Amino acid sequence: EIVLTQSPGTLSLSPGERATLSCRASQTVSITYLAWYQQKPGQAPRFLIYGASSRATGIPDRFSGSGSGTDFTLTISRLEPEDFAVYYCQQYGTSLTFGGGTKVEIK
Amino acid sequence: EVQLVESEGGVVRPGGSLRLSCAASGFTFDDYGMSWVRQVPGKGLEWVSGINWNGGSTGYADSVKGRFTISRDNAKNSLYLQMNSLRAEDTALYHCARSAKPYYDYYMDVWGKGTTVTVSS
Repeated sequence: EIVLTQSPGTLSLSPGERATLSCRASQTVSITYLAWYQQKPGQAPRFLIYGASSRATGIPDRFSGSGSGTDFTLTISRLEPEDFAVYYCQQYGTSLTFGGGTKVEIK
Repeated sequence: EVQLVESEGGVVRPGGSLRLSCAASGFTFDDYGMSWVRQVPGKGLEWVSGINWNGGSTGYADSVKGRFTISRDNAKNSLYLQMNSLRAEDTALYHCARSAKPYYDYYMDVWGKGTTVTVSS
Protein backbone atom coordinates (compact mmCIF):
# COMPACT_ATOMS: atom_id res chain seq x y z
CA GLU A 1 0.00 0.00 0.00
CA ILE A 2 1.25 3.49 -0.85
CA VAL A 3 1.24 5.66 2.28
CA LEU A 4 0.81 9.41 1.77
CA THR A 5 2.24 11.76 4.41
CA GLN A 6 1.02 15.34 4.36
CA SER A 7 2.86 18.22 6.01
CA PRO A 8 2.52 20.37 7.89
CA GLY A 9 -0.41 19.14 9.90
CA THR A 10 -1.62 22.71 10.38
CA LEU A 11 -0.68 25.85 8.48
CA SER A 12 -1.55 29.20 10.12
CA LEU A 13 -1.65 32.01 7.58
CA SER A 14 -3.38 35.30 6.90
CA PRO A 15 -5.64 36.12 3.93
CA GLY A 16 -3.52 37.19 0.98
CA GLU A 17 -0.57 35.00 1.96
CA ARG A 18 0.77 32.06 -0.02
CA ALA A 19 0.12 28.51 1.19
CA THR A 20 2.39 25.61 0.30
CA LEU A 21 1.18 22.12 1.23
CA SER A 22 3.28 18.98 0.86
CA CYS A 23 2.29 15.38 0.12
CA ARG A 24 4.99 12.71 0.18
CA ALA A 25 4.41 9.14 -1.00
CA SER A 26 6.11 6.02 0.38
CA GLN A 27 6.57 4.74 -3.20
CA THR A 28 6.55 6.32 -6.63
CA VAL A 29 3.06 7.33 -7.70
CA SER A 30 2.62 6.01 -11.22
CA ILE A 31 1.92 8.43 -14.05
CA THR A 32 1.44 11.29 -11.53
CA TYR A 33 -1.90 9.82 -10.49
CA LEU A 34 -2.23 12.30 -7.64
CA ALA A 35 -5.33 14.33 -6.73
CA TRP A 36 -6.13 17.04 -4.19
CA TYR A 37 -9.38 17.76 -2.36
CA GLN A 38 -10.63 20.55 -0.10
CA GLN A 39 -13.00 19.92 2.80
CA LYS A 40 -14.76 22.45 4.99
CA PRO A 41 -16.48 21.55 8.28
CA GLY A 42 -19.76 19.76 7.75
CA GLN A 43 -19.28 19.55 3.98
CA ALA A 44 -18.35 16.86 1.50
CA PRO A 45 -14.84 16.93 0.03
CA ARG A 46 -14.49 19.13 -3.05
CA PHE A 47 -12.33 17.92 -5.94
CA LEU A 48 -9.55 20.40 -6.87
CA ILE A 49 -6.65 18.88 -8.80
CA TYR A 50 -5.96 15.69 -10.80
CA GLY A 51 -2.89 14.33 -12.53
CA ALA A 52 -0.82 16.24 -9.95
CA SER A 53 -1.24 19.58 -11.75
CA SER A 54 -4.51 19.82 -13.70
CA ARG A 55 -7.26 21.92 -12.14
CA ALA A 56 -10.80 20.59 -12.03
CA THR A 57 -13.53 22.56 -13.79
CA GLY A 58 -14.37 25.77 -11.96
CA ILE A 59 -11.36 25.75 -9.64
CA PRO A 60 -9.72 29.20 -9.43
CA ASP A 61 -6.23 29.56 -10.87
CA ARG A 62 -4.82 30.58 -7.49
CA PHE A 63 -4.78 26.81 -6.83
CA SER A 64 -1.91 24.97 -8.48
CA GLY A 65 -0.42 21.52 -8.12
CA SER A 66 3.04 20.25 -8.94
CA GLY A 67 5.39 17.35 -8.38
CA SER A 68 6.09 13.83 -9.55
CA GLY A 69 7.45 10.55 -8.26
CA THR A 70 7.08 10.73 -4.50
CA ASP A 71 6.89 14.48 -3.80
CA PHE A 72 3.88 16.62 -4.58
CA THR A 73 2.81 20.15 -3.67
CA LEU A 74 -0.43 22.10 -3.61
CA THR A 75 0.07 25.86 -3.71
CA ILE A 76 -2.56 28.51 -3.06
CA SER A 77 -1.03 31.70 -4.38
CA ARG A 78 -3.07 34.21 -2.38
CA LEU A 79 -5.40 32.90 0.30
CA GLU A 80 -9.01 34.04 0.12
CA PRO A 81 -11.26 33.77 3.21
CA GLU A 82 -13.07 30.78 1.65
CA ASP A 83 -9.80 28.84 1.24
CA PHE A 84 -9.38 28.13 4.94
CA ALA A 85 -10.15 24.42 5.14
CA VAL A 86 -8.56 20.97 5.31
CA TYR A 87 -6.78 19.69 2.21
CA TYR A 88 -6.21 16.02 1.33
CA CYS A 89 -4.04 14.41 -1.29
CA GLN A 90 -4.99 11.06 -2.83
CA GLN A 91 -3.06 8.68 -5.06
CA TYR A 92 -4.92 6.52 -7.58
CA GLY A 93 -2.02 4.82 -9.32
CA THR A 94 -1.95 1.75 -7.08
CA SER A 95 -5.32 1.12 -5.44
CA LEU A 96 -6.59 4.22 -3.62
CA THR A 97 -5.10 5.94 -0.57
CA PHE A 98 -5.48 9.36 1.03
CA GLY A 99 -3.08 11.47 3.04
CA GLY A 100 -3.89 12.51 6.59
CA GLY A 101 -4.72 16.09 5.62
CA THR A 102 -3.36 19.60 6.18
CA LYS A 103 -5.52 22.17 7.93
CA VAL A 104 -5.10 25.72 6.67
CA GLU A 105 -6.29 28.02 9.43
CA ILE A 106 -6.55 31.77 9.84
CA LYS A 107 -3.64 33.24 11.76
CA GLU B 1 -27.62 19.10 -11.00
CA VAL B 2 -25.20 16.25 -10.43
CA GLN B 3 -25.98 14.83 -6.99
CA LEU B 4 -25.26 11.89 -4.70
CA VAL B 5 -27.48 11.39 -1.67
CA GLU B 6 -26.80 8.71 0.91
CA SER B 7 -29.57 7.02 2.85
CA GLU B 8 -29.86 7.50 6.57
CA GLY B 9 -27.27 5.52 8.54
CA GLY B 10 -27.90 4.33 12.03
CA VAL B 11 -26.76 2.91 15.32
CA VAL B 12 -25.88 -0.78 15.30
CA ARG B 13 -24.55 -3.14 17.95
CA PRO B 14 -21.13 -4.74 17.47
CA GLY B 15 -21.52 -7.80 15.26
CA GLY B 16 -24.61 -6.37 13.62
CA SER B 17 -25.39 -5.47 10.01
CA LEU B 18 -26.44 -2.39 8.11
CA ARG B 19 -27.05 -1.58 4.45
CA LEU B 20 -26.24 1.86 3.07
CA SER B 21 -27.71 3.23 -0.15
CA CYS B 22 -26.68 6.11 -2.37
CA ALA B 23 -29.04 7.66 -4.92
CA ALA B 24 -27.43 9.27 -7.96
CA SER B 25 -29.02 11.93 -10.15
CA GLY B 26 -28.09 14.43 -12.82
CA PHE B 27 -25.71 12.15 -14.74
CA THR B 28 -25.62 8.82 -16.58
CA PHE B 29 -24.95 6.53 -13.62
CA ASP B 30 -23.70 3.51 -15.56
CA ASP B 31 -20.93 5.56 -17.21
CA TYR B 32 -19.00 5.76 -13.96
CA GLY B 33 -17.28 3.71 -11.32
CA MET B 34 -18.32 4.42 -7.74
CA SER B 35 -16.77 4.19 -4.28
CA TRP B 36 -17.56 4.43 -0.59
CA VAL B 37 -15.14 6.55 1.46
CA ARG B 38 -15.41 6.91 5.24
CA GLN B 39 -14.25 9.49 7.72
CA VAL B 40 -13.96 9.12 11.47
CA PRO B 41 -15.05 12.45 13.07
CA GLY B 42 -12.09 14.80 13.23
CA LYS B 43 -9.91 12.42 11.20
CA GLY B 44 -8.96 11.87 7.57
CA LEU B 45 -10.50 10.06 4.61
CA GLU B 46 -10.29 6.29 4.14
CA TRP B 47 -11.32 4.55 0.93
CA VAL B 48 -13.57 1.61 1.84
CA SER B 49 -14.75 -0.03 -1.37
CA GLY B 50 -15.25 0.57 -5.09
CA ILE B 51 -17.15 -0.92 -8.03
CA ASN B 52 -16.75 -0.43 -11.76
CA TRP B 53 -19.51 0.76 -14.09
CA ASN B 54 -21.18 -2.60 -14.64
CA GLY B 55 -20.46 -4.23 -11.30
CA GLY B 56 -17.99 -6.62 -12.91
CA SER B 57 -15.06 -5.54 -10.76
CA THR B 58 -14.98 -4.58 -7.11
CA GLY B 59 -12.30 -3.69 -4.58
CA TYR B 60 -12.11 -3.43 -0.80
CA ALA B 61 -9.81 -1.99 1.82
CA ASP B 62 -8.12 -4.67 3.91
CA SER B 63 -9.94 -3.33 6.98
CA VAL B 64 -13.36 -4.35 5.58
CA LYS B 65 -12.55 -7.24 3.24
CA GLY B 66 -14.78 -10.23 3.91
CA ARG B 67 -17.26 -8.16 5.96
CA PHE B 68 -18.53 -5.49 3.53
CA THR B 69 -20.05 -6.00 0.07
CA ILE B 70 -20.51 -3.26 -2.51
CA SER B 71 -23.10 -3.49 -5.27
CA ARG B 72 -25.03 -1.29 -7.68
CA ASP B 73 -28.33 -1.27 -9.55
CA ASN B 74 -27.91 0.79 -12.70
CA ALA B 75 -31.62 0.61 -13.49
CA LYS B 76 -32.28 2.39 -10.19
CA ASN B 77 -29.24 4.71 -10.33
CA SER B 78 -28.24 3.38 -6.92
CA LEU B 79 -25.12 2.25 -5.10
CA TYR B 80 -25.16 0.03 -2.01
CA LEU B 81 -22.86 -1.07 0.79
CA GLN B 82 -23.82 -4.11 2.83
CA MET B 83 -21.93 -4.01 6.11
CA ASN B 84 -21.79 -7.18 8.23
CA SER B 85 -19.92 -8.12 11.40
CA LEU B 86 -19.66 -4.45 12.31
CA ARG B 87 -17.02 -3.31 14.78
CA ALA B 88 -16.63 -0.17 16.89
CA GLU B 89 -13.85 0.96 14.55
CA ASP B 90 -16.33 1.05 11.65
CA THR B 91 -18.01 4.05 13.30
CA ALA B 92 -17.66 6.90 10.81
CA LEU B 93 -19.31 9.20 8.29
CA TYR B 94 -19.69 7.24 5.04
CA HIS B 95 -19.50 9.17 1.76
CA CYS B 96 -20.63 7.92 -1.62
CA ALA B 97 -18.29 9.21 -4.37
CA ARG B 98 -18.20 9.09 -8.16
CA SER B 99 -15.05 8.09 -10.01
CA ALA B 100 -14.14 10.22 -13.01
CA LYS B 101 -13.87 7.03 -15.12
CA PRO B 102 -15.92 3.85 -15.67
CA TYR B 103 -13.62 2.05 -13.23
CA TYR B 104 -13.47 2.83 -9.53
CA ASP B 105 -9.72 3.18 -8.96
CA TYR B 106 -9.41 6.79 -10.13
CA TYR B 107 -9.92 10.21 -8.62
CA MET B 108 -13.39 11.13 -7.32
CA ASP B 109 -15.04 14.16 -8.82
CA VAL B 110 -18.46 14.13 -7.15
CA TRP B 111 -19.15 13.41 -3.47
CA GLY B 112 -22.21 12.96 -1.31
CA LYS B 113 -22.49 14.68 2.05
CA GLY B 114 -22.30 11.38 3.88
CA THR B 115 -24.29 9.34 6.37
CA THR B 116 -23.30 8.49 9.93
CA VAL B 117 -22.83 4.91 11.08
CA THR B 118 -22.34 4.32 14.79
CA VAL B 119 -21.39 0.89 16.11
CA SER B 120 -21.97 0.75 19.84
CA SER B 121 -23.45 -1.52 22.48
